[in-house]
Amino acid sequence: QLQLQESGPGLVKPSETLSLTCTISGDSITSSIHYFWGWIRQPPGKGLEWIGVIHYNGNTYHNPSLRSRATISVDTSKKKFSLTLSSVTATDTAVYYCARQFHDPTHYGYFDSWGQGTLVTVSS
Amino acid sequence: EIVLTQAPDTLSLSPGERATLSCRASQSVIRNFLAWYQQKPGQTPRLLMYGASSRATGIPDRFSGSGSGTDFTLTIDRLEPEDFAVYYCQQYGNSPITFGQGTRLEIK
Repeated sequence: QLQLQESGPGLVKPSETLSLTCTISGDSITSSIHYFWGWIRQPPGKGLEWIGVIHYNGNTYHNPSLRSRATISVDTSKKKFSLTLSSVTATDTAVYYCARQFHDPTHYGYFDSWGQGTLVTVSS
Repeated sequence: EIVLTQAPDTLSLSPGERATLSCRASQSVIRNFLAWYQQKPGQTPRLLMYGASSRATGIPDRFSGSGSGTDFTLTIDRLEPEDFAVYYCQQYGNSPITFGQGTRLEIK
């Protein structure tokens, strides 16, 4: 059974960089060409926002609304993938979820397995 | 980007009743690539439906999805107490992937 677990600081100062890691167990990042691995966030009391995804071959898709502040990387040997978000402000305060995305060449994918989420607060 | 608008914002019903949740897209969703998720308080979202009408693994058949183009519906028959939650739609035919703002289904 696939499990995903987010880890990283719960508090980040404004203008600094947020860094999170998602560790996978029960499956492999390379188990299928159809899986991307990504990040979604949810500000307190609000809805979901897609951040971006990465394939084990290094292909990535990002939400342009984040204006290139987000970088997603993958370490297949360590069964981890990571998110960095630069120049954070209070509006980046949210629960950050990592998730597995089912993707094929005809579409951009839906999320069939999620981590528990980790709250990141941006505050001085 | 495609904007998804869900209606109503809050739906108050009693167990045993039928819930009908709407998701309307600002432009046609390619090949009905629309998913629905359920999120209970303090929990992670759970995939319910994909391709507008296909149930995800383990989802009971009282959940059904329909629609095409710009109008989609999630129907929950015979509401159970565990069905009261927030529901989100998501389109994945166009980039960027977008979510609706959610419908809260609450016990009347």
